[in-house]
Amino acid sequence: GQNIDQPTEMTATEGAIVQINCTYQTSGFNGLFWYQQHAGEAPTFLSYNVLDGLEEKGRFSSFLSRSKGYSYLLLKELQMKDSASYLCAVSDSNYQLIWGAGTKLIIKP
Amino acid sequence: GAVVSQHPSRVICKSGTSVKIECRSLDFQATTMFWYRQFPKQSLMLMATSNEGSKATYEQGVEKDKFLINHASLTLSTLTVTSAHPEDSSFYICSARIGQDYNEQFFGPGTRLTVL
Repeated sequence: GQNIDQPTEMTATEGAIVQINCTYQTSGFNGLFWYQQHAGEAPTFLSYNVLDGLEEKGRFSSFLSRSKGYSYLLLKELQMKDSASYLCAVSDSNYQLIWGAGTKLIIKP
Repeated sequence: GAVVSQHPSRVICKSGTSVKIECRSLDFQATTMFWYRQFPKQSLMLMATSNEGSKATYEQGVEKDKFLINHASLTLSTLTVTSAHPEDSSFYICSARIGQDYNEQFFGPGTRLTVL
């Protein structure tokens, strides 16, 4: 079967750095997405990785290792507004998104 | 950027009535649209995949006669929840994809359905 695993909840301090991990087992791979979702709102796109390595975009970076079936989202200089759920999703061989359950990130002052 | 709208954003209805939710791609043509449902504190659950001009493909456990999907044009898909019941209360989100080989899905803002 297809499976995406990510921690249920994480807590971090304002101004700090946090890494959210995601491991996956899917039938085929056409890229991995990270989305941010605030409570009561739709997901918004953060990043897309299809090749191994680190993609940096401002305070957010995403890493992919296809051989290990592993990705992480790195958030730097955390702000209170970063409190949200972070969803990992993998595009499978049919370009269907397989979703993780999401990681709720709690930022404390 | 690619913008997807949903209407209505919030709807409250009585049990037994039908509710229609519209999903529109505003500045691009969407060959494929997806309908998701999300219950509180849970992740997105794909309900169905809709390709323009053809019947929707429903995920296992989703009743196609209860959740009617129409994708009549490249910019509009509708989801009709027929004979809604309180257990259908949820956050319904649509997304749209430009082409088969273009991976990213663009999400609408979601529709909060409450069935009394």
